[in-house]
Amino acid sequence: EDQVTQSPEALRLQEGESSSLNCSYTVSGLRGLFWYRQDPGKGPEFLFTLYSAGEEKEKERLKATLTKKESFLHITAPKPEDSATYLCAVQAENNAGNMLTFGGGTRLMVKP
Amino acid sequence: KAGVTQTPRYLIKTRGQQVTLSCSPISGHRSVSWYQQTPGQGLQFLFEYFSETQRNKGNFPGRFSGRQFSNSRSEMNVSTLELGDSALYLCASRKNTEAFFGQGTRLTVV
Repeated sequence: EDQVTQSPEALRLQEGESSSLNCSYTVSGLRGLFWYRQDPGKGPEFLFTLYSAGEEKEKERLKATLTKKESFLHITAPKPEDSATYLCAVQAENNAGNMLTFGGGTRLMVKP
Repeated sequence: KAGVTQTPRYLIKTRGQQVTLSCSPISGHRSVSWYQQTPGQGLQFLFEYFSETQRNKGNFPGRFSGRQFSNSRSEMNVSTLELGDSALYLCASRKNTEAFFGQGTRLTVV
């Protein structure tokens, strides 16, 4: 069974204090690993897709990396507007369709 | 480009009733998936439709069902509502790899 575990559950940062969020996964063949951002009361917003170990992607203050067992979302010099819940999800190769298995998320709070 | 549209945004129903939620995918997207999000269980996959056919189904009781129309719009139905069905129901559409989510329908069962 595919499993995704995110840590920490919650993270408080001061504005400008860089940090990393972790996503550990167990999947029978990885087709893709996805990062989403979710604001309260809204649907998840797509950030990145990673396909193979060693791959990295960047967008503004965010950088996602992937190994064979985990992914990291690095946040450099965060701003208060980066406060949100960050979700990680995997899609397995043996999945006939497009089912995503999500982790529990990391709630990030950035204080000015 | 319009995003994924879900209606209604909010819904209050009584135990035992049934409910139908609607999802209009991004134009050109043929795959529509439904997810349930609760504070305790997080985001859980309900089912996926592609070209009007259910391609995958999550571990939910038969009270949860769905369908897709020829224009790719999708509906999900929950019959005999229970208090535990209170959740944010999210729809996602995709053309290639990335799934794009709607704002969700907040269902409250009282």
